[in-house]
Amino acid sequence: AQTVTQSQPEMSVQEAETVTLSCTYDTSESDYYLFWYKQPPSRQMILVIRQEAYKQQNATENRFSVNFQKAAKSFSLKISDSQLGDAAMYFCAYRSPRSGTYKYIFGTGTRLKVLA
Amino acid sequence: DTGVSQDPRHKITKRGQNVTFRCDPISEHNRLYWYRQTLGQGPEFLTYFQNEAQLEKSRLLSDRFSAERPKGSFSTLEIQRTEQGDSAMYLCASSFLSQGYGYTFGSGTRLTVV
Repeated sequence: AQTVTQSQPEMSVQEAETVTLSCTYDTSESDYYLFWYKQPPSRQMILVIRQEAYKQQNATENRFSVNFQKAAKSFSLKISDSQLGDAAMYFCAYRSPRSGTYKYIFGTGTRLKVLA
Repeated sequence: DTGVSQDPRHKITKRGQNVTFRCDPISEHNRLYWYRQTLGQGPEFLTYFQNEAQLEKSRLLSDRFSAERPKGSFSTLEIQRTEQGDSAMYLCASSFLSQGYGYTFGSGTRLTVV
């Protein structure tokens, strides 16, 4: 069974600085999707960025980018120029395309604090 | 379309009572998911609908839980004889059938069983 591990329960970053959130996963599959979701306090989860395992190029969305290391089963999220609005829980998620269900396996999350 | 709507936002109930939550997905989305999120944990998959058909249920979904999606539109999640361990945030999400992108989540229903 696939598992997702986020080993940093909480991280802090100064406004305008860069922070990296870690995620590792375990799978025997070669084709899958990885996601980072943001969950602000009392608000809905929002997709931040996604990565298809067959793509070697790391995904980028504005200030958000990933470092996808398939062999190491690592999928870290880098937030550049951190803003106060980036403060939230961040969840890493794995999705197998084989199940047909497209259900996610989530990590336990990393709470990001942004310091003014 | 304003996204995925969930109702109610908060529910406090006494142990042993039945509760029902509603989810209205984005109208053109044919996949609908229910997840449960307890404090300090990531969301855990409960069940999945493709149109009106419930195609997968997690072992987390005991026989006290039932979910429906009549006519492939809104969905309801009912918990019978609630227990304190049912206290959690219940999240609904929807997506297109063949979408390789992510879900659109609702804001969730927070259930507190006292």
